[in-house]
Amino acid sequence: EDKVVQSPLSLVVHEGDTVTLNCSYEVTNFRSLLWYKQEKKAPTFLFMLTSSGIEKKSGRLSSILDKKELFSILNITATQTGDSAIYLCAVDFTGTASKLTFGTGTRLQVTL
Amino acid sequence: DVKVTQSSRYLVKRTGEKVFLECVQDMDHENMFWYRQDPGLGLRLIYFSYDVKMKEKGDIPEGYSVSREKKERFSLILESASTNQTSMYLCASSPPSRGSVKKPQHFGDGTRLSIL
Repeated sequence: EDKVVQSPLSLVVHEGDTVTLNCSYEVTNFRSLLWYKQEKKAPTFLFMLTSSGIEKKSGRLSSILDKKELFSILNITATQTGDSAIYLCAVDFTGTASKLTFGTGTRLQVTL
Repeated sequence: DVKVTQSSRYLVKRTGEKVFLECVQDMDHENMFWYRQDPGLGLRLIYFSYDVKMKEKGDIPEGYSVSREKKERFSLILESASTNQTSMYLCASSPPSRGSVKKPQHFGDGTRLSIL
């Protein structure tokens, strides 16, 4: 059965800290791995990773994929209170409509 | 920017009612999806559609049906609502992945549905 596991489930850090969120997966026919950020409403797209070892970066956020070990990490440096959200990892494993299998998410809280 | 609009942010219905959740996207996307999101369980796929009048079951289709009569609109139907269908419902859309070109799904703001 295809499976995506995120850790930790929740995390509280102080503003300015660096955090690493983890996503491991067991899926057949892997195509890509996606990270989303969900605040109060719609999950918003952050990164899509398809190739192993290539870092994607956007400001203070970066992510990398290891297809051999079947995991990805999302790093956030110099965290701000606006980074508080649920971070979702999803894997696109097959099919014509790019079905996604989601992990349960990591709830990040950044405090002053 | 892609806009996925769900008709209601909050909805309260009674057990046994037939409930319609509507989703409209403005980017001419072929693919549309319905998920439910529950604490500790993450997002789970209910149904998806990759073309008008086409639908496929996701991981938890029981108790639900869908309708896609027009490309931009994808409706989720709870045939006879039950309390265990109280949840946050999220709609998403995406263009098709063509070869190595992959595109992410874009989500609506969600409908928080309570069944009493």
